[in-house]
Amino acid sequence: QSALTQPASVSGSPGQSITISCTGTSSDVGGYNYVSWYQQHPGKAPKLMIYDVSNRPSGVSNRFSGSKSGNTASLTISGLQAEDEADYYCSSYTSSSTLVFGTGTKVTVL
Amino acid sequence: EVQLVESGGGLVQPGRSLRLSCTASGFTFGDYAMSWVRQAPGKGLEWVGFIRSKAYGGTTEYAASVKGRFTISRDDSKSIAYLQMNSLKTEDTAVYYCTRMGLKQAFDIWGQGTMVTVSS
Repeated sequence: QSALTQPASVSGSPGQSITISCTGTSSDVGGYNYVSWYQQHPGKAPKLMIYDVSNRPSGVSNRFSGSKSGNTASLTISGLQAEDEADYYCSSYTSSSTLVFGTGTKVTVL
Repeated sequence: EVQLVESGGGLVQPGRSLRLSCTASGFTFGDYAMSWVRQAPGKGLEWVGFIRSKAYGGTTEYAASVKGRFTISRDDSKSIAYLQMNSLKTEDTAVYYCTRMGLKQAFDIWGQGTMVTVSS
């Protein structure tokens, strides 16, 4: 199972919106609504931000939203803040009953 | 407080074995599938495997990179999940995270991680 494809880096100014893509295949992202997104600050454990493509866990800011079209899922961060600077990973369930992560995206707040 | 605490990491020689433990608290451990995720130094996240709850058979799934070498088990009476790692390779060097799969196929709770270094 190959890792899902994410851009290596995305940047934006405070207050702007950015979108991170996560591209897989019909055997993972495109085949199931089990895409989740994680935020990881340096030296910290990842934190769940979005599950089931577009659902936010309790306590996660509504500035974070998720969507999917075909084999590509997306995470949008609106009203970008300095604290959003982190690494972001997508994950998907697969047709082999396994899970796979994306390659990761470093978000920089300019 | 819902919490996962990993233990058992350390330095081990290639070809040897190591067992990691994940002690859970603050929730009914037996109701959830549990997973292990690792992160090599400076690299991205890699899913290792998971074990379903007893209600779903307690069966396991593994990433191709560890299948046949790693085994996940659970002791619901002690609220502990284990990762038995055999025939370790230098490329298994990573921080190993224990996670709860509390929201369908999402990892909603993470431990702080334990470092495993495979080196001679």
